[in-house]
Amino acid sequence: DAGVIQSPRHEVTEMGQEVTLRCKPISGHNSLFWYRQTMMRGLELLIYFNNNVPIDDSGMPEDRFSAKMPNASFSTLKIQPSEPRDSAVYFCASSFEVGGYTFGSGTRLTVV
Amino acid sequence: GENVEQHPSTLSVQEGDSAVIKCTYSDSASNYFPWYKQELGKRPQLIIDIRSNVGEKKDQRIAVTLNKTAKHFSLHITETQPEDSAVYFCAASPGNQFYFGTGTSLTVIP
Repeated sequence: DAGVIQSPRHEVTEMGQEVTLRCKPISGHNSLFWYRQTMMRGLELLIYFNNNVPIDDSGMPEDRFSAKMPNASFSTLKIQPSEPRDSAVYFCASSFEVGGYTFGSGTRLTVV
Repeated sequence: GENVEQHPSTLSVQEGDSAVIKCTYSDSASNYFPWYKQELGKRPQLIIDIRSNVGEKKDQRIAVTLNKTAKHFSLHITETQPEDSAVYFCAASPGNQFYFGTGTSLTVIP
């Protein structure tokens, strides 16, 4: 198994542009999580899905952020419009039932 | 919801010495406690975990202890090596969701 696959690895965009981050969870995992990591705030849970259904999106910073999981093998996190304070590393993780997460390699987002 | 606190935030030890990182949690429903290691520029990776029906678990130089009554758990690394240098995160889970500590930056000095 290739693990959790995220794309792109790096993204540099201008303020106001739309950004879409992508994640492919491990096959067979039924939960998917989006995290944001910054030096100041550490690992923050943005949203998580169970069986493709959003369960808790209370961590999504504001309406500019949205996430979808149209099927068990794909999820997106979209920021529109992006702002410099959105610059961070965004991790996707997946798991099966109660067990350790497996994290993807992350997307380093820089908004200039 | 669950609140996980982690200490210390930074830790420096001499190579060969032991390192201990401590975490506390608030939700008595939490029953799964993983530890993650994150090297610079890389993803967090699971290194050891413990469930609430166990008080201690060991894997070579790494051990984790859990005190359910006091709601705290600790990571112990013995005979530290320079490659142990990384940020370590604890987490607590009452179900499907994980709540992470703020991380401990461990530096092992050769």
